[in-house]
Amino acid sequence: DGGITQSPKYLFRKEGQNVTLSCEQNLNHDAMYWYRQDPGQGLRLIYYSQIVNDFQKGDIAEGYSVSREKKESFPLTVTSAQKNPTAFYLCASRTGSSGNTIYFGEGSWLTVV
Amino acid sequence: AQKITQTQPGMFVQEKEAVTLDCTYDTSDQSYGLFWYKQPSSGEMIFLIYQGSYDEQNATEGRYSLNFQKARKSANLVISASQLGDSAMYFCAMPRGGTGRRALTFGSGTRLQVQP
Repeated sequence: DGGITQSPKYLFRKEGQNVTLSCEQNLNHDAMYWYRQDPGQGLRLIYYSQIVNDFQKGDIAEGYSVSREKKESFPLTVTSAQKNPTAFYLCASRTGSSGNTIYFGEGSWLTVV
Repeated sequence: AQKITQTQPGMFVQEKEAVTLDCTYDTSDQSYGLFWYKQPSSGEMIFLIYQGSYDEQNATEGRYSLNFQKARKSANLVISASQLGDSAMYFCAMPRGGTGRRALTFGSGTRLQVQP
């Protein structure tokens, strides 16, 4: 089945460690996105990529890094510089046509212990 | 920059009744789109309905319809015949900088609880 796969679903990180969240899509979508959601809040854009080997910062990029070496993959690294990384992270993708829906993965819960 | 405002943090509705979730937006673009998503407690984001700013008719998808008032810059979601499974967070969103492959800007959401 086509879709967006995020892994792991749950992740615990010790302070000072970097962690990488995986996002893979087999929808042949050009654009991919990472959002952060804090409890009871809306989604905030971290990074997005509209084409392979290119990506742009969103509203809250500090402490995060991404890469887009393949069309299907857009991993997000939460670095030790991110002071409050405990949150729900959602990956999404979209085709290039205007008006097309953005589809989301099932999300990853990151907790700092 | 685009801005989405959802002024209802929480709403209650009786099963089988209709409910309207409010969304207002601000944009300087002439052409834009508006999306509604549902987020159950599991966390996944489920696409519900899309309205283009130049669409002549309000969008409908099954029990979901969009009350789009362009002059008022509002795009309210109407859910008819509410079901217990409709209990979830609902988010209004629009693309940053028009349509195309731009990322979405989201409102703060409305938590809907359907009561039996």
